[in-house]
Amino acid sequence: AQSVTQLDSQVPVFEEAPVELRCNYSSSVSVYLFWYVQYPNQGLQLLLKYLSGSTLVKGINGFEAEFNKSQTSFHLRKPSVHISDTAEYFCAVYFGNEKLTFGTGTRLTIIP
Amino acid sequence: NAGVTQTPKFQVLKTGQSMTLQCAQDMNHEYMSWYRQDPGMGLRLIHYSVGAGITDQGEVPNGYNVSRSTTEDFPLRLLSAAPSQTSVYFCASSYRQGGTEAFFGQGTRLTVV
Repeated sequence: AQSVTQLDSQVPVFEEAPVELRCNYSSSVSVYLFWYVQYPNQGLQLLLKYLSGSTLVKGINGFEAEFNKSQTSFHLRKPSVHISDTAEYFCAVYFGNEKLTFGTGTRLTIIP
Repeated sequence: NAGVTQTPKFQVLKTGQSMTLQCAQDMNHEYMSWYRQDPGMGLRLIHYSVGAGITDQGEVPNGYNVSRSTTEDFPLRLLSAAPSQTSVYFCASSYRQGGTEAFFGQGTRLTVV
């Protein structure tokens, strides 16, 4: 079955330190990849997406992600986090079947 | 620019009651979907629609019903509420499925007692 795995349910990081949130998916077919962010008590909003082309994509708020086809991964990175980055982050994959499949989410906590 | 509007924001139901969660979008999007969000489980697809008059089941459709009579509206009906349906529900829309951005509503927090 097609699936999206976010192994880290919670990631604590000191303010101004770098962070990487991991995402792996199960399929070898062509996919579209997304990262969404959910701030407390809000809906989800798009951070960035990969459709084709350059494997390094840049998104809003200084985040970027790298698509690695051989490892079926799409890890999210930020070189220096801020308190305002505290949120839950979801990786999502479109496997070509009219459905967007989400991972279980990673809660990013910034330590002052 | 309203985007995706969900009502109500909060709801408490008794077991066995029925209700409809409303979702409307003003972006002329063809694709709409309903998800439920539960702790540790991410977002799971309940039902989706690729256009007016067309709906299909997602991952967890049991106990829910949908219809799509217009492009703008995609209501979710709980037929007979159960405590297992306590969750946060999100409606989303996109221009089409595939590589386009999904826009989410603010969510409905439902508690079934």
